[in-house]
Amino acid sequence: DAGVTQSPTHLIKTRGQQVTLRCSPKSGHDTVSWYQQALGQGPQFIFQYYEEEERQRGNFPDRFSGHQFPNYSSELNVNALLLGDSALYLCASSSDGYEQYFGPGTRLTVT
Amino acid sequence: GDSVTQMEGPVTLSEEAFLTINCTYTATGYPSLFWYVQYPGEGLQLLLKATKADDKGSNKGFEATYRKETTSFHLEKGSVQVSDSAVYFCALPSPGGYQKVTFGTGTKLQVIP
Repeated sequence: DAGVTQSPTHLIKTRGQQVTLRCSPKSGHDTVSWYQQALGQGPQFIFQYYEEEERQRGNFPDRFSGHQFPNYSSELNVNALLLGDSALYLCASSSDGYEQYFGPGTRLTVT
Repeated sequence: GDSVTQMEGPVTLSEEAFLTINCTYTATGYPSLFWYVQYPGEGLQLLLKATKADDKGSNKGFEATYRKETTSFHLEKGSVQVSDSAVYFCALPSPGGYQKVTFGTGTKLQVIP
């Protein structure tokens, strides 16, 4: 049984560009959450998707948006990239109301 | 709002030494509490959890006791190994279900032979 998978593993973008990160949840999970982990910091909650709707959102600007597909996979989109968006982006999946399982992350570098 | 404070690292210990990583929290009510571990180059793994006051979570030789009187959830291990080298995060899920997890800043542990 594959766990949570994320793609790509690493990504380098230029300021002002847009990026899309992808996540496939663990089998049987219907809820996907996204977190941003800056270097040397703990993960910060971005938002959570359930039944293709954004259910809860952290303190992130509208430049951060997402989507959940009928197969429960999810995308995180970031527009107008800033240098400060450089971080490890973690996806976590869960079966609604239960503990979250994390993927290995996507390392985004903005130059 | 909810918050988690954990001791800063890095912590360097010799193999077989005793480990304590302090964690305190601020939250409404009596939430569940977690410890996550992040090995180099990997994502987060749930190490242990406690769901109510005075519960003790344990896994892989690690233990943590949920102390509501001191709002603490300190992580301990009696004898660390080189393979325990990682970053440890204390975490607090939102009430009413694990919809949002608030993490501490992490404590890096390095165990030397």
